[in-house]
Amino acid sequence: AAGVIQSPRHLIKEKRETATLKCYPIPRHDTVYWYQQGPGQDPQFLISFYEKMQSDKGSIPDRFSAQQFSDYHSELNMSSLELGDSALYFCASSLGLGEQFFGPGTRLTVL
Amino acid sequence: KQEVTQIPAALSVPEGENLVLNCSFTDSAIYNLQWFRQDPGKGLTSLLLIQSSQREQTSGRLNASLDKSSGRSTLYIAASQPGDSATYLCAADQGGSEKLVFGKGTKLTVNP
Repeated sequence: AAGVIQSPRHLIKEKRETATLKCYPIPRHDTVYWYQQGPGQDPQFLISFYEKMQSDKGSIPDRFSAQQFSDYHSELNMSSLELGDSALYFCASSLGLGEQFFGPGTRLTVL
Repeated sequence: KQEVTQIPAALSVPEGENLVLNCSFTDSAIYNLQWFRQDPGKGLTSLLLIQSSQREQTSGRLNASLDKSSGRSTLYIAASQPGDSATYLCAADQGGSEKLVFGKGTKLTVNP
């Protein structure tokens, strides 16, 4: 069965640089979520989209933005990167309010 | 605001033992509660989803129960195996929102 695809899997950036993370949800899933998991922490909700419209927003810094495109893939754009942004970034997808399926994550390291 | 707590934080058991992981949540107006497994540095694997109208779900050696009124869920693992060693995360959505709020997890070690 198709799963959630995230790219890249690993990303190394310098402070103040920009990063773009991509997420391809499970086919026919209409909702995409982004979560951030810092070292030794539990995942924290960032933002979600339902049918290409932002549906909820969590503790996402103003330096971050995201969107969902017409093909339902989503991108998380992160600017002015800080050391504290180093984390695992997960994308998840669901069909409506159903079970959320998580991708393998993108490990972002900011040097 | 939803808050999720998991007890214990860590658990070490001998192979073959049955065990129970506990999860509590503060906002009982949930749609779903999910249990996940996470291996070190890896992604989140969904184990079981319990919808608010359900009381339990089973998958193989795993059984999860939900008591909305008391704000509790348990994950029962039967006949534990070394391959079950991982961190188990409980997550509940927040009433009116589909976003998941996670507990800090229970790190399980099953010794051969």
